[in-house]
Amino acid sequence: AQSVSQHNHHVILSEAASLELGCNYSYGGTVNLFWYVQYPGQHLQLLLKYFSGDPLVKGIKGFEAEFIKSKFSFNLRKPSVQWSDTAEYFCAVPGNNAGNMLTFGGGTRLMVKP
Amino acid sequence: KAGVTQTPRYLIKTRGQQVTLSCSPISGHRSVSWYQQTPGQGLQFLFEYFSETQRNKGNFPGRFSGRQFSNSRSEMNVSTLELGDSALYLCASSPDRGMDEQYFGPGTRLTVT
Repeated sequence: AQSVSQHNHHVILSEAASLELGCNYSYGGTVNLFWYVQYPGQHLQLLLKYFSGDPLVKGIKGFEAEFIKSKFSFNLRKPSVQWSDTAEYFCAVPGNNAGNMLTFGGGTRLMVKP
Repeated sequence: KAGVTQTPRYLIKTRGQQVTLSCSPISGHRSVSWYQQTPGQGLQFLFEYFSETQRNKGNFPGRFSGRQFSNSRSEMNVSTLELGDSALYLCASSPDRGMDEQYFGPGTRLTVT
C-alpha cells in the first residue's frame, strides 16, 4: 500500500532562514505527490503537486519541491521563510484505487520566529 | 465560487450517541471525501463518494458511514460514539478529472464526552 513519511515533526526557524521539509514515499504505481498546508485556523490547502514532467515543481507563496525518484523523496523547500509561513505541512500520495483518496504523512509543524 | 462548507462547525456529544455531519462541495464537484484529523493519528481517510456511490473506503469501523445525495452534498454518520472519535472531521471535494486536487472545508470539530 502507498505510504508517506515525514521525518521532521517540529521545525523552528527564524525569519529569512531557508526551509527544507523531508517527505519520503512508498508507491508502486504512477507517482503523484502533493504538499498541503494548514495555516492556524484555516482550511487545508494545496501548496503544490507533482504529476509528471519537470521534477522541480513550483507552488504558491514561493514554495517548491523536488521529486527525486531514486531517493523516493519529494522534499519541500523555500529559500527564505516568513513569519506568515508558520503552519503545519503535509505530504500526501494517492491511494491504490481510482478516485480521490489521499494518504497523508504525519505532518510537520513549522514555527517561524519573527 | 463558494468553497466547501461543513455544518455544524462544532459539536459536543456524549458517549453512545450518534452524530451526523454535513458537507456541501464546491459547485460542479462530484467527488466528496471525508477525513478524520487527530493529534495522535494525523489525517486519516474515511471514505469517498462519487455520483452517490461509495468509491473508496478507509480502515474505520462500521460505526462510520456516509452517503451522497444527487446534488453531490454528503453526510457522514457516526453511531455509538466513543471518546476516541473526538476529532476534526474534514470534507474535501474534487472535480474528479482523474487524481486531482482536493479542496478542503473548514471541518467539524467533534468532542465526545
